[in-house]
Amino acid sequence: AQKVTQAQTEISVVEKEDVTLDCVYETRDTTYYLFWYKQPPSGELVFLIRRNSFDEQNEISGRYSWNFQKSTSSFNFTITASQVVDSAVYFCALRSFSGNTPLVFGKGTRLSVIA
Amino acid sequence: AAGVIQSPRHLIKEKRETATLKCYPIPRHDTVYWYQQGPGQDPQFLISFYEKMQSDKGSIPDRFSAQQFSDYHSELNMSSLELGDSALYFCASSYEADRGRAYYGYTFGSGTRLTVV
Repeated sequence: AQKVTQAQTEISVVEKEDVTLDCVYETRDTTYYLFWYKQPPSGELVFLIRRNSFDEQNEISGRYSWNFQKSTSSFNFTITASQVVDSAVYFCALRSFSGNTPLVFGKGTRLSVIA
Repeated sequence: AAGVIQSPRHLIKEKRETATLKCYPIPRHDTVYWYQQGPGQDPQFLISFYEKMQSDKGSIPDRFSAQQFSDYHSELNMSSLELGDSALYFCASSYEADRGRAYYGYTFGSGTRLTVV
């Protein structure tokens, strides 16, 4: 069975601080995809990143960076110099590489960035 | 670029009524997924279709049914609505060439917010 754990339920930071959202996953698949989604108060799920399990290269996109460590089954997400607009719920998700399989989501981390 | 279209955006129904949610996937996407997200919860997978055939089933109540039509749009039918069905319902689509070995993305619609009163 697949499982995604986001141990941090809620995080509050002051604007311009860096913040890391943790994600730990479990799967028996040898190949799989990992995702991060942002859900702002308006409710839509905004795609941030997809990572293949066979590509452990870390990725940076502007103020966002992701650290994938297959050895510890973790896919952590860091926001540098946080802004109020980053306030949202962030979901980490996992899906199998094969077939038309659904995403398995973590419980989400609610990030509040205070001005 | 075209996105996944869901309608309606908001829906208010009374208990025991029925509701139909619609999803129009990205053109040429062959797979549609439905998810339910209760207040403060993570999205939960309900059901999926690949090439108009049911592909996978999650925690979908027997009161719910879904299908995918020849034009690839999908409808989620919900009967005997209960207060607990109030949630955000997301549709997602993907293109799964070679049964997933060539994977071209997984896109969510903006969701339908269903309120049962």
